[in-house]
Amino acid sequence: DAGVIQSPRHEVTEMGQEVTLRCKPISGHDYLFWYRQTMMRGLELLIYFNNNVPIDDSGMPEDRFSAKMPNASFSTLKIQPSEPRDSAVYFCASSLPYGQGGFYEQYFGPGTRLTVT
Amino acid sequence: RKEVEQDPGPFNVPEGATVAFNCTYSNSASQSFFWYRQDCRKEPKLLMSVYSSGNEDGRFTAQLNRASQYISLLIRDSKLSDSATYLCVVKGGWNNLFFGTGTRLTVIP
Repeated sequence: DAGVIQSPRHEVTEMGQEVTLRCKPISGHDYLFWYRQTMMRGLELLIYFNNNVPIDDSGMPEDRFSAKMPNASFSTLKIQPSEPRDSAVYFCASSLPYGQGGFYEQYFGPGTRLTVT
Repeated sequence: RKEVEQDPGPFNVPEGATVAFNCTYSNSASQSFFWYRQDCRKEPKLLMSVYSSGNEDGRFTAQLNRASQYISLLIRDSKLSDSATYLCVVKGGWNNLFFGTGTRLTVIP
């Protein structure tokens, strides 16, 4: 089975440009999470969805960040405009529906390494 | 205050050594705890859950002390392949997880 798929794997962009990160969760998983990882702050939860509905976006740093999940198999995280301090690895993860055995385990995608110059 | 705090290390140990990692969590109502492993430039993956009574998986032993809000991971007979960053994780409300910043382990030949 395919795991969580993220694209692009690497993104280098200039400050002020729009960046869109994409994620396809594992089929049958109804939770989807977006994380950001930096050396200084570790892994931070940005937002998560359940059944395509945003549940908690309190981790989104500011209005420049937005996330959507138009259907069960696709989500995007957009940064507009991007800034150098947004440079990080962005992970998408998914998990099984609540109540199913092992639902707490989150399966991570390979990440998108974003560099904003 | 952070939800989960870990000693960042790094820990450099020889092959065959025993090494222990610790972390503390801030929410006394937390019910579920885990250790994830992250290899260099890779994604985190679940290593093991942590049960109240303590649990073992081969060379790995996880323990929980609710009174002290403290979680530990013990690795016996360290292998070169154990070199990674180990993330202490606490489940929050609903299904979200809080990750520690990780403890980096390097096993030296």
